[in-house]
Amino acid sequence: GAVVSQHPSRVICKSGTSVKIECRSLDFQATTMFWYRQFPKKSLMLMATSNEGSKATYEQGVEKDKFLINHASLTLSTLTVTSAHPEDSSFYICSARGQRTSGRAIYEQYFGPGTRLTVT
Amino acid sequence: DAKTTQPPSMDCAEGRAANLPCNHSTISGNEYVYWYRQIHSQGPQYIIHGLKNNETNEMASLIITEDRKSSTLILPHATLRDTAVYYCIVRVAANAGGTSYGKLTFGQGTILTVHP
Repeated sequence: GAVVSQHPSRVICKSGTSVKIECRSLDFQATTMFWYRQFPKKSLMLMATSNEGSKATYEQGVEKDKFLINHASLTLSTLTVTSAHPEDSSFYICSARGQRTSGRAIYEQYFGPGTRLTVT
Repeated sequence: DAKTTQPPSMDCAEGRAANLPCNHSTISGNEYVYWYRQIHSQGPQYIIHGLKNNETNEMASLIITEDRKSSTLILPHATLRDTAVYYCIVRVAANAGGTSYGKLTFGQGTILTVHP
């Protein structure tokens, strides 16, 4: 498999502040990264897709000015929730696909452990 | 991507085989069947995928019917740690073009409960 990490695993912030979540591919180059959101007892919903060095493509209904995504390197993507509100409280999960340093492609998506965001 | 249908829940006794069905009757010729699982409060874990041949790895086996309209994920000897939500997802081949390239769309999945 391939390893994806996220940081932090949990974060609590006050309403109106911004929160940054990091997603890293540890043993492969992540040419494409995905950000998902999951509300309690619901399935994962794709928020956006980003290719390294390019602007993210957002799914319909996801505000790109509120959820800022940066994918500036082959091993790191960040999601910043700006001016967070209680309704943004959710489980945010990143996923990545790409290639090994050997050049072998990784077509499966590997997921990080998720970040639990609570906005008070 | 084609839609999939899975039973909302299933039970299995520890040590027995767990057979999780998935219906994907509208699957296209260039679409793969992927299986992921999500243990509570964790990110999804890749299990296996296939196009038309049966596949096996260290985690599970994937049986795809000849017409590709349905598949079954088999966990040969289920353990308590296999309790999770199992997602069957159909997706275009990773090297295909188009705007849906690379996206995994999750449905509601099957809640598998393995009991002692």
